Amino acid sequence: GESVGLHLPTLSVQEGDNSIINCAYSNSASDYFIWYKQESGKGPQFIIDIRSNMDKRQGQRVTVLLNKTVKHLSLQIAATQPGDSAVYFCAEPWGGKLIFGTGTRLQVFP
Amino acid sequence: EADIYQTPRYLVIGTGKKITLECSQTMGHDKMYWYQQDPGMELHLIHYSYGVNSTEKGDLSSESTVSRIRTEHFPLTLESARPSHTSQYLCASSAGTIRDEQYFGPGTRLTVT
Repeated sequence: GESVGLHLPTLSVQEGDNSIINCAYSNSASDYFIWYKQESGKGPQFIIDIRSNMDKRQGQRVTVLLNKTVKHLSLQIAATQPGDSAVYFCAEPWGGKLIFGTGTRLQVFP
Repeated sequence: EADIYQTPRYLVIGTGKKITLECSQTMGHDKMYWYQQDPGMELHLIHYSYGVNSTEKGDLSSESTVSRIRTEHFPLTLESARPSHTSQYLCASSAGTIRDEQYFGPGTRLTVT
């Protein structure tokens, strides 16, 4: 079946630095992607989405980039803060459901 | 803050017991979902519903069952709990199409001894 996968299981960054979390997808027909953030002990929370007719979308301190040529998207967090520590998932609608990637754990240290 | 609730938040139960995990949402969403997630791992869809009296099995085989008698309520039942059922169970809901944001509850962490 189609898959959405993440490159790195854990990313450690220093507070104040920018974070980049990557996601690869395999279905070239995919036209919509979502990033979720899951803090410890909580359910995932929507961060930002992007449609395939866009290369970039910006939110508050977050930017998602989509490269359809290599089937890759990334989530960039500017000026990473301790509150950004969480697991981040990319997700893709497929077959009427959301398919979640493995997840990347972001650790922010002082 | 999304209006979707799960009870209990934590449950430790012995093997063979029947359990029901509760999920309720007050947003009037038609679609509801149950996911199973091991700590720090990906989410696996185990059940979903498109509306009242609609239930479907997800991608991950599960020995649990669900019901959807009311729009706001989507309970998950394990008839006979086993240690292999130890996991976190997350409930979610969404308004309409798959492109609509899924709102997640806080989860139930189940431990079967």
